[in-house]
Amino acid sequence: AQSVTQLGSHVSVSEGALVLLRCNYSSSVPPYLFWYVQYPNQGLQLLLKYTTGATLVKGINGFEAEFKKSETSFHLTKPSAHMSDAAEYFCAVSDPPSNTGKLIFGQGTTLQVKP
Amino acid sequence: EPEVTQTPSHQVTQMGQEVILRCVPISNHLYFYWYRQILGQKVEFLVSFYNNEISEKSEIFDDQFSVERPDGSNFTLKIRSTKLEDSAMYFCASSRTGAGYGYTFGSGTRLTVV
Repeated sequence: AQSVTQLGSHVSVSEGALVLLRCNYSSSVPPYLFWYVQYPNQGLQLLLKYTTGATLVKGINGFEAEFKKSETSFHLTKPSAHMSDAAEYFCAVSDPPSNTGKLIFGQGTTLQVKP
Repeated sequence: EPEVTQTPSHQVTQMGQEVILRCVPISNHLYFYWYRQILGQKVEFLVSFYNNEISEKSEIFDDQFSVERPDGSNFTLKIRSTKLEDSAMYFCASSRTGAGYGYTFGSGTRLTVV
């Protein structure tokens, strides 16, 4: 069965510092991988996704993530944090053979950005 | 940009009562989903719906739950007899072609069972 582990439930960085949110997955087949962001009192917004092709994917708001099959990882990075990046971030996985498109989410990482 | 709309944003109900959570997916999307997030926990899959029938459901989605697409635009989640542990944020999502395309989530309905 697929699973997702996000290392660190809370990450705190200073404004302008590198953001690194870690995600490891378990899947029996090459997965589809996603990062979602949730701002307070809002829904889940897709940041970026990996399905096939280039392993480094770029998303909105300057975020990017790299799919590393050998490490079963899909870590999210941003070179320079902004105050507006403070939010909850969720990594998710979906097996491509699944026609339903069910997503399995990690437990989430709260990103705090300090001035 | 097209949105998934959920109503109400917050609902309080007494234990044992029936609730219906409503969603209007994006009009050209074909796959529909319900997820829930209990406070402080991860987002959990409940059910997926395609071609007017349930395509997959989780263990959480027992006989107390049902989904409907009654009129081609709305997508509803009904809980027949609510329990305290049903208190959660419920998210509706839709997708044009399934997960590979990426979902669009609604803002959620916070259900509080008292």
